[in-house]
Amino acid sequence: RKEVEQDPGPFNVPEGATVAFNCTYSNSASQSFFWYRQDCRKEPKLLMSVYSSGNEDGRFTAQLNRASQYISLLIRDSKLSDSATYLCVVYFTGGGNKLTFGTGTQLKVEL
Amino acid sequence: DAGVIQSPRHEVTEMGQEVTLRCKPISGHNSLFWYRQTMMRGLELLIYFNNNVPIDDSGMPEDRFSAKMPNASFSTLKIQPSEPRDSAVYFCASSWTSGGDTQYFGPGTRLTVL
Repeated sequence: RKEVEQDPGPFNVPEGATVAFNCTYSNSASQSFFWYRQDCRKEPKLLMSVYSSGNEDGRFTAQLNRASQYISLLIRDSKLSDSATYLCVVYFTGGGNKLTFGTGTQLKVEL
Repeated sequence: DAGVIQSPRHEVTEMGQEVTLRCKPISGHNSLFWYRQTMMRGLELLIYFNNNVPIDDSGMPEDRFSAKMPNASFSTLKIQPSEPRDSAVYFCASSWTSGGDTQYFGPGTRLTVL
């Protein structure tokens, strides 16, 4: 089983739609969680951290469910510019103090 | 701030040749990471350094790969000899610490081994 698993997609949605991605992680001792965004042929960049109480940044909402070991990202009122690959990232010290990246979920927002 | 700088941006070489990838981390960052990304395997951590010291190289595929960080502002990843299966995008990233801090990625080196 992979340490971090994501549905690869692609998710094709119309502009203005709401879309949600889930990610599961295998290590219950995981400590920190993040969503990174990667545009086509570009480097990954931090989108937002994920806090236990859930957090929101504009149209983006991230949630963490430790009991079920999954993380979610909700994008409301999606824009064409949201088209990218979204990487779920987990940090736990047992992994040698390093971030573990999921393989990403591809989102395509269409007119 | 210039961000993480990598060179070259593209490299095309023939099987058996030596390839050297270079990285300059963000000034003041204490941790540096080398990743490889392919369609099949996604983003894989190869090795990371804390204060110029290699901490975890368990992701290095085999002895053909080696990495060095002679000082706080420079690191290299070397493949010798290169093979077609090494074709991938290689990213360097840096952060303040390795403890889950935000990692800032360079633009990557797209390596093609013929």
